Amino acid sequence: KAGVTQTPRYLIKTRGQQVTLSCSPISGHRSVSWYQQTPGQGLQFLFEYFSETQRNKGNFPGRFSGRQFSNSRSEMNVSTLELGDSALYLCASSYDQGASTDTQYFGPGTRLTVL
Amino acid sequence: DQQVKQNSPSLSVQEGRISILNCDYTNSMFDYFLWYKKYPAEGPTFLISISSIKDKNEDGRFTVFLNKSAKHLSLHIVPSQPGDSAVYFCAARIRFRGSTLGRLYFGRGTQLTVWP
Repeated sequence: KAGVTQTPRYLIKTRGQQVTLSCSPISGHRSVSWYQQTPGQGLQFLFEYFSETQRNKGNFPGRFSGRQFSNSRSEMNVSTLELGDSALYLCASSYDQGASTDTQYFGPGTRLTVL
Repeated sequence: DQQVKQNSPSLSVQEGRISILNCDYTNSMFDYFLWYKKYPAEGPTFLISISSIKDKNEDGRFTVFLNKSAKHLSLHIVPSQPGDSAVYFCAARIRFRGSTLGRLYFGRGTQLTVWP
């Protein structure tokens, strides 16, 4: 089974631009979560999608948004980029059958650099 | 508010010895705990997990222990190998109103170095 894939792997943008990152979950997985990793803050939860609905949201400004499609693929968008948005953005998927032992599997991440 | 804490940013162990990585948490609603291993420029790789109804889970060289009363868990790697050198993240999840929420709460990670 193919793992979680994220595109692009690397991205360079300038302040004020917007960016869209893509995530394809493991086949059959219905939940997709997004995390931001920075050296200072570690892994911070952005949001989670399940059946095309945002089910959970972290403490990020409204410039960060996402969506999920009917095939469970997900995109996240960051508008009006700031220097502090430079980070590794990670996507994770899980089957989410409601069991407490459901496990999230991560993609390789997208490294975003804002100049 | 860091609900999952890994107080040791680094750990250095000789090959063949035991590596013990520690993790503390504050939220008593956490019901599932996971360990991930991460290499630079890659996503975290799932290693092992434990449900709050257990106190030990073993998978090959990796064992996770959970002490609910102390809100503490640890990952034991025996024997340690140079290929185990990576950052190890402890993560926890909440079960809310009978449903599992997808959010994971992560510790800041511990850099494990295994030297020959």
